[in-house]
Amino acid sequence: GAGVSQTPSNKVTEKGKYVELRCDPISGHTALYWYRQSLGQGPEFLIYFQGTGAADDSGLPNDRFFAVRPEGSVSTLKIQRTERGDSAVYLCASSRSIAGGITDTQYFGPGTRLTVL
Amino acid sequence: GENVEQHPSTLSVQEGDSAVIKCTYSDSASNYFPWYKQELGKRPQLIIDIRSNVGEKKDQRIAVTLNKTAKHFSLHITETQPEDSAVYFCAAHTRGSWGKLQFGAGTQVVVTP
Repeated sequence: GAGVSQTPSNKVTEKGKYVELRCDPISGHTALYWYRQSLGQGPEFLIYFQGTGAADDSGLPNDRFFAVRPEGSVSTLKIQRTERGDSAVYLCASSRSIAGGITDTQYFGPGTRLTVL
Repeated sequence: GENVEQHPSTLSVQEGDSAVIKCTYSDSASNYFPWYKQELGKRPQLIIDIRSNVGEKKDQRIAVTLNKTAKHFSLHITETQPEDSAVYFCAAHTRGSWGKLQFGAGTQVVVTP
C-alpha cells in the first residue's frame, strides 16, 4: 500500500515568511508524528497526534511552530516568521494507535527540505 | 528525559566483515528500541526493533541485542555488502512518553568492496 507522503519535497523561503508543510499518513494510522532532522543529526521529535488531538507537543521549539490534524488524517506543520535556523528536513511518521505505553512501528515519509534564506 | 548516545559516528568495513554499532540510553523506563537505516536523501527505514522483554532478535544478517541492566543495545550486521552502506540510527521509546522516539546521532557505515 501507499506509504507516508509529504509535500512539498523542497521548500525555499525567505526569512520572516510563513510556510506550511503537509503530511499524508498511511491509511488507517491514527498516530502521527513530526520530527526535524538537521544535517548530520538524528531526527528530533516535535509533536505527536493521536487522532485529531496533539497528545504531546513538547518538542516544538517555540510558538512560531504549530501543527494541526483537523480530520485525524492529513497533518500540516505551520511555521511563522521563519528564521535561518529553521532550515532542516522535516520528517513525518505514522503508526497504528498506541496503548498501554506500548508504541508501534513508525513509518517515515520522505521529508520536506526547508531552506530559509 | 531520555538521552541516547550512539557510537561510533563512522564505521568503515570490508565487504564480508561484520559491523557493530552500540547505543546507550538513560531512562530505565524505555521499553522499545528500533533501528533505522537512512540512505542519502531518503527516508529513514526500520530495519529491526526490539522490546524490553526480549534480549536478542535476529533477522537474516541483522541482529540486535539489548542489555537492560547496563542500558545499552547494539546492532550487528554480518557478511556486510556494499548496499549496507548508509547512516544507521538507533532510537529509544520511554513508556509513558506516548510515541516519542529519542534518536541517536547516527553512524555512517561504509562498506568497501
